[in-house]
This record gives sequence, structure tokens and C-alpha cells, in this order.
Amino acid sequence: AQTVTQSQPEMSVQEAETVTLSCTYDTSESNYYLFWYKQPPSRQMILVIRQEAYKQQNATENRFSVNFQKAAKSFSLKISDSQLGDTAMYFCAFAFNDYKLSFGAGTTVTVRA
Amino acid sequence: ETGVTQSPTHLIKTRGQQVTLRCSSQSGHNTVSWYQQALGQGPQFIFQYYREEENGRGNFPPRFSGLQFPNYSSELNVNALELDDSALYLCASSRRPSSTDTQYFGPGTRLTVL
Repeated sequence: AQTVTQSQPEMSVQEAETVTLSCTYDTSESNYYLFWYKQPPSRQMILVIRQEAYKQQNATENRFSVNFQKAAKSFSLKISDSQLGDTAMYFCAFAFNDYKLSFGAGTTVTVRA
Repeated sequence: ETGVTQSPTHLIKTRGQQVTLRCSSQSGHNTVSWYQQALGQGPQFIFQYYREEENGRGNFPPRFSGLQFPNYSSELNVNALELDDSALYLCASSRRPSSTDTQYFGPGTRLTVL
């Protein structure tokens, strides 16, 4: 079974600064997918970024980027130039070659004005 | 393009009752997955429906059941409700049952069991 661990329950960051969220996972598979999802206080979960394990290049989406370390089974998310709208719960998730998403417990990010 | 919608928004039931939650998938999507999110935790996969058939199930008892209709909307039914069933229930739709296709989530149904 795959497990996803997010060790930071809460993070706080000043507007315009950078924050990095940690995620580790455990799997014996070699091909898989990793995701970061954002759940704002309004509750609708939104995909932030996705990484395919077979790709060595780290994924980026505008101000969001990941540091994927396959050997260490680590998948951190960096939010640059933080904005008030980034305030949300962030979930790291894992999927094998199917569809079932396995989520971590989440990290609450608060951006301070 | 209409996104994923869920109804009702909130629901209060008592132990032992039965509940039905509904999900309308995004246009063009034939796959619906259901997740249970307990307070302060990450979502847990319940099951997935693809073209009206159950296409995989998580570690949930048989009293959690579902349906998918020809228009790809879906229902989640929970029988014999227990206090621990209190949670936010999320559905997500995608074009295919594959990790290469993004799952789009609905806003959820908050179920409270008293």
C-alpha cells in the first residue's frame, strides 16, 4: 500500500515571500504520479501541479514548483511570491497507473498581509 | 462548461438511517470517484464508477454503495449510518479512469450523523 506523509500541519508566510511544503511517500512501484491539490476555505479541491515519476525534470506552474527526489521519495512544493489567495489547505497525493488518489493529511498555509 | 456539482450541500442524519448523496460530473467526463474527508484529514478513496460500472473500491464496508447513470452522474448511498460516517464527501470526475487525466472535484456534501 502507498502512504503519503505531510509532516507540517501548519505553515505561515508573509505576502510576497516563499514557502516550501514537504511531502514524503512510500511505494515499491517505479511508475507513478504525484500531485499537489489546494483546498481553499470554500472547500473545492483544485489541482495545483502534477509530476510523473518517470520525468526527471521538476514540474512548474507559474509561481508553483516542485522538488521531486525519487530516490528519497520526497516531493516538496514551493510557492513563490505568495499571495493572499494562496491561503488554503494543501494536500500531497499519490496515484499508481490507475485512478485512486492517496492523500496526505494536509498542510494549512496562511498568507499574512 | 459546467463544473462538478454536488447535492445537497449539508445533511444531518441520525445513527442507523440511510443517506443518498448526488454528483453531476463535468461535461465530457465518464468517470466519477468518491472520497470521504473526515475533519482535519485528507480525503480517503471510497470507489470509482466508469461507464456505469464500479471500477475499483477502497477500504470501505459494503454499506457504502453507489450508482452511475447513463448521463454519468452518480450517487453515493450509505446504509446504517454510524457516527464515524460524519465527514465531507467529495466526488471528482475525469475524462478517463487514468492518472494521466486530471480529477476535477466538486464542492462536497457535509454529512453530520447524530
